[in-house]
Amino acid sequence: AQSVTQLGSHVSVSEGALVLLRCNYSSSVPPYLFWYVQYPNQGLQLLLKYTSAATLVKGINGFEAEFKKSETSFHLTKPSAHMSDAAEYFCAVRGYNTDKLIFGTGTRLQVFP
Amino acid sequence: GAVVSQHPSWVICKSGTSVKIECRSLDFQATTMFWYRQFPKQSLMLMATSNEGSKATYEQGVEKDKFLINHASLTLSTLTVTSAHPEDSSFYICSAESPPGNQPQHFGDGTRLSIL
Repeated sequence: AQSVTQLGSHVSVSEGALVLLRCNYSSSVPPYLFWYVQYPNQGLQLLLKYTSAATLVKGINGFEAEFKKSETSFHLTKPSAHMSDAAEYFCAVRGYNTDKLIFGTGTRLQVFP
Repeated sequence: GAVVSQHPSWVICKSGTSVKIECRSLDFQATTMFWYRQFPKQSLMLMATSNEGSKATYEQGVEKDKFLINHASLTLSTLTVTSAHPEDSSFYICSAESPPGNQPQHFGDGTRLSIL
């Protein structure tokens, strides 16, 4: 069965600092991996996805994530945080034979001026 | 890009009322839609998978008679919370998968349901 673990329920960074949000997955088959962002009282917006093509995936708003099979990780990074990046971020996994998404518990990103 | 519209965005009603939430795919046909529930400061919990023209598939622990799902067309799925009670208060989010298969799910903006 697939699952994802997001380390750190809260991450705080200063504006302009590096953002690193951690996600580790568990899957018996090569997974599809996703990062979504949720702003207060809104649905989820897709940031980026990994579907077994390039291991370094670039997404919207300057975010990117690297798929590392040896570490079963798919961490989300952004070189320079912006105040507007403050939100809840969810990592999700989907296996090849299912259309269900399994979400991590989420990481709340705070950005301080 | 693919857009999913969810309506209403906010509902407040009395205990015992039934509430219908609509989820529409605006610029694509979605044979599969998903309904999630999210409690404050928690992750999304999949409630059911809605398939056009057939019965929904509910996750374990989700009451079928409580949460009625109808997916009558390729662009519309509805979730009806029947005889709602305060414990049903939550944030409900739908999503749809754009064709072809194995594409990312696109999410609606959610419905905040408050039962008094």
